[in-house]
Amino acid sequence: SQQGEEDPQALSIQEGENATMNCSYKTSINNLQWYRQNSGRGLVHLILIRSNEREKHSGRLRVTLDTSKKSSSLLITASRAADTASYFCATDANRNRDDKIIFGKGTRLHILP
Amino acid sequence: GAVVSQHPSRVICKSGTSVKIECRSLDFQATTMFWYRQFPKQSLMLMATSNEGSKATYEQGVEKDKFLINHASLTLSTLTVTSAHPEDSSFYICSARQGMGYEQYFGPGTRLTVT
Repeated sequence: SQQGEEDPQALSIQEGENATMNCSYKTSINNLQWYRQNSGRGLVHLILIRSNEREKHSGRLRVTLDTSKKSSSLLITASRAADTASYFCATDANRNRDDKIIFGKGTRLHILP
Repeated sequence: GAVVSQHPSRVICKSGTSVKIECRSLDFQATTMFWYRQFPKQSLMLMATSNEGSKATYEQGVEKDKFLINHASLTLSTLTVTSAHPEDSSFYICSARQGMGYEQYFGPGTRLTVT
């Protein structure tokens, strides 16, 4: 079963604007990751934020984590056409000893020229 | 970062046949490998977790007799889709991890089309 829920499910914005995607999860985690996937392609790892971190930056990406609310957000600033993709949050579901990664449903981001 | 490869990248097979997908960790030894399935415009769903040398652990609702997973070495895991049907057409993605607490690396995926 899936751990995370992203919202919105789909987002269209003008090039240059900022895009914000949110993710909520259900159980306690060790870390949370965000991935990008272009249509029909594999995953690209964007950023990992640990449970003891509240905010992390990488280039135009900013990720926040609120463990009390079990939620995270991904902000892409100054969006570009190349940012058009699906974005997934993923959490490590530390069940038994498997420590496996479970994905949310994803947000389909479309950057309009 | 570490590299995980999958072969083939695309495969078309006829209904009723079996198809094998390979997942390899190229520059590290993976004690654990994971298999995911992704239908169009949906997220990745974890199918099973395999630890080298032991039987795979399947997620609820995944038929272990239909999706055979073998993790015979520290660098190779295989997923065999047996008696494939058109509804098995999907994007299959593997990932590999060196051990507990290590980062999980994803393969590029295999597009399976069953005709």
